[in-house]
Amino acid sequence: AQRVTQPEKLLSVFKGAPVELKCNYSYSGSPELFWYVQYSRQRLQLLLRHISRESIKGFTADLNKGETSFHLKKPFAQEEDSAMYYCALLSGGYNKLIFGAGTRLAVHP
Amino acid sequence: NAGVTQTPKFQVLKTGQSMTLQCAQDMNHNSMYWYRQDPGMGLRLIYYSASEGTTDKGEVPNGYNVSRLNKREFSLRLESAAPSQTSVYFCASRGGVARSSDTQYFGPGTRLTVL
Repeated sequence: AQRVTQPEKLLSVFKGAPVELKCNYSYSGSPELFWYVQYSRQRLQLLLRHISRESIKGFTADLNKGETSFHLKKPFAQEEDSAMYYCALLSGGYNKLIFGAGTRLAVHP
Repeated sequence: NAGVTQTPKFQVLKTGQSMTLQCAQDMNHNSMYWYRQDPGMGLRLIYYSASEGTTDKGEVPNGYNVSRLNKREFSLRLESAAPSQTSVYFCASRGGVARSSDTQYFGPGTRLTVL
């Protein structure tokens, strides 16, 4: 079955600390994965996608097929990074996305 | 460009009432989607429309119907609302049609409470 698992509901860190939001997936085939972010009172928006191999707002994510993971990392967290983060897997045709349950990141001063 | 817009922003219904959630996009996108967001469950796809004139069921379609009125608009209807449909509903759109990594753009959401 196709599934995305985000094991942490809440991740609480202090400003300047490293951050790693975990994402594991189950998919038979070559996966395409995304991270979406939802800041307070804002709409969901794309943060990054694995095929672009980009760094957005200091965040990076590497696809590890051996561990079926796509963890989101940032070396030094900022208060403005506080938000809800969703990992998503492209499923089947027509760009259907399967989302994980989400992890709330709280960065404290 | 307004992007993806949704109305209403908030709605309270009684069990058994019906209502339609409206979604429109001004980006000339082909594909549109309806999701519901529930605590601890992330976003789940209710219905999607790959292109004007087509609609298909997603992961949780029971209790809902959709209409792709034209290329811009994709509505979600609850014929007989149930408390289990209390949720935040998001509409999204995407430019392409077939399987692709194109970005989905989301609306601001509709918070629905069914008493």
